[in-house]
Amino acid sequence: KAGVTQTPRYLIKTRGQQVTLSCSPISGHRSVSWYQQTPGQGLQFLFEYFSETQRNKGNFPGRFSGRQFSNSRSEMNVSTLELGDSALYLCASSPGGTGKNIQYFGAGTRLSVL
Amino acid sequence: TQLLEQSPQFLSIQEGENLTVYCNSSSVFSSLQWYRQEPGEGPVLLVTVVTGGEVKKLKRLTFQFGDARKDSSLHITAAQPGDTGLYLCANTNAGKSTFGDGTTLTVKP
Repeated sequence: KAGVTQTPRYLIKTRGQQVTLSCSPISGHRSVSWYQQTPGQGLQFLFEYFSETQRNKGNFPGRFSGRQFSNSRSEMNVSTLELGDSALYLCASSPGGTGKNIQYFGAGTRLSVL
Repeated sequence: TQLLEQSPQFLSIQEGENLTVYCNSSSVFSSLQWYRQEPGEGPVLLVTVVTGGEVKKLKRLTFQFGDARKDSSLHITAAQPGDTGLYLCANTNAGKSTFGDGTTLTVKP
């Protein structure tokens, strides 16, 4: 079974721009979660989608948004980029059913905001 | 918010030494996960512990879940340079994982 795939692996943007990151979950997994990882804050939960609906949301500003498609693939968008948005963005998938929520992570997208 | 505190934050040892890292909380968990993350990569799941007092072994790695299900430990025997990485404990609930800050382990040859 293929693992969680995130694209692109690296991105360089400038302040004020927007960016879209993509995540393809493990086949059969219906839950996709997004995390931001920085040296100072560690791994912080952004949001989780299950069956195309946002089911859970972390404490991030509205500039961070996401969506999930019918094939469970997910995208995350960050608008009006700030220098502090530079981070490793990780996507994780899980089956999503009751008791089936162990998460498997992709390799991440490294975003640098200049 | 259920906080997970990991210690030590950094650990640098020589190849062949043994080590233990800890994950503690004041909350009771139904399960805890341990992940290892290498630079520039995503966390890789090592183990899930579910039952209080449970001990799981993965080659040279031994994981223990506290009797009260509030804490966990990871013991590595005869560490090797390939064990170098960030070790994270986490609790996952309804699609959201809460992570500890991690232990950065460096094993020198």
